[in-house]
Amino acid sequence: RKEVEQDPGPFNVPEGATVAFNCTYSNSASQSFFWYRQDCRKEPKLLMSVYSSGNEDGRFTAQLNRASQYISLLIRDSKLSDSATYLCVVPDNNAGNMLTFGGGTRLMVKP
Amino acid sequence: GAGVSQSPSNKVTEKGKDVELRCDPISGHTALYWYRQRLGQGLEFLIYFQGNSAPDKSGLPSDRFSAERTGESVSTLTIQRTQQEDSAVYLCASSLGVAGLYEQYFGPGTRLTVT
Repeated sequence: RKEVEQDPGPFNVPEGATVAFNCTYSNSASQSFFWYRQDCRKEPKLLMSVYSSGNEDGRFTAQLNRASQYISLLIRDSKLSDSATYLCVVPDNNAGNMLTFGGGTRLMVKP
Repeated sequence: GAGVSQSPSNKVTEKGKDVELRCDPISGHTALYWYRQRLGQGLEFLIYFQGNSAPDKSGLPSDRFSAERTGESVSTLTIQRTQQEDSAVYLCASSLGVAGLYEQYFGPGTRLTVT
C-alpha cells in the first residue's frame, strides 16, 4: 500500500457542483495533514491545513477520519478557477521531517 | 516580500554531464526541501535541511545526487553524470520550521531535460 494514496481522476464537474476527494494514508502516527493545490506547470501552494478533525475555509472543507486513516476535501459551488490538481500531504513523523505527497487528484470544472 | 526563487528555470543537458540547480529560500526560513516531480507524477522528496542540523538525505535516489546549503540561505542540488531518467522538474521549498507545523512555500522549479 502506498503511504499516501489519492484517486488521480480526472474529476470532470460542471460549474456550481459540489465535489469531494479522498486521500488515504498509512502512517497512523501522523498528526497533521495538508491539502496543496497545483496548477498546470506551476508550483504547489498550500490550500488548507488539518490539525484536528477538520477545517473549513469558505467553499472548501477538509475532514479527517483518524480511525479509517483518510482525509477528505470538499469543494462546494465549484468555479472554473478551481480546476487544478489537489495534493494530499502527510508528514512522516517517524522519518525526521519528511513530507509525503500523494500523487494528486486532478479536477476539471467545466462551464 | 520575495518568494522562493530557483535557477535556472530550464536546463537541457546531455546524458553524462553534471548539472547544478540553485534555490534561494525566503529570508528567515530555517527549513529547506528539495523535491523531484516527473511529468504527470506526484512530488518525490529528495533532501531536507533544517538550520545547522545534519541534512536528511533519505530521499536521494542515488549517489549521483548531492545537495549543499550555506547556513540558512542558498542551497544547490548537484546531479552528476546525468541520466535520461533524471529528467523532471526539481522543486525547492522553504518553511519557517519543521514540516507538519509550518506551510511550505515552493519555488517555480527547474525543468531539467536530459537528452
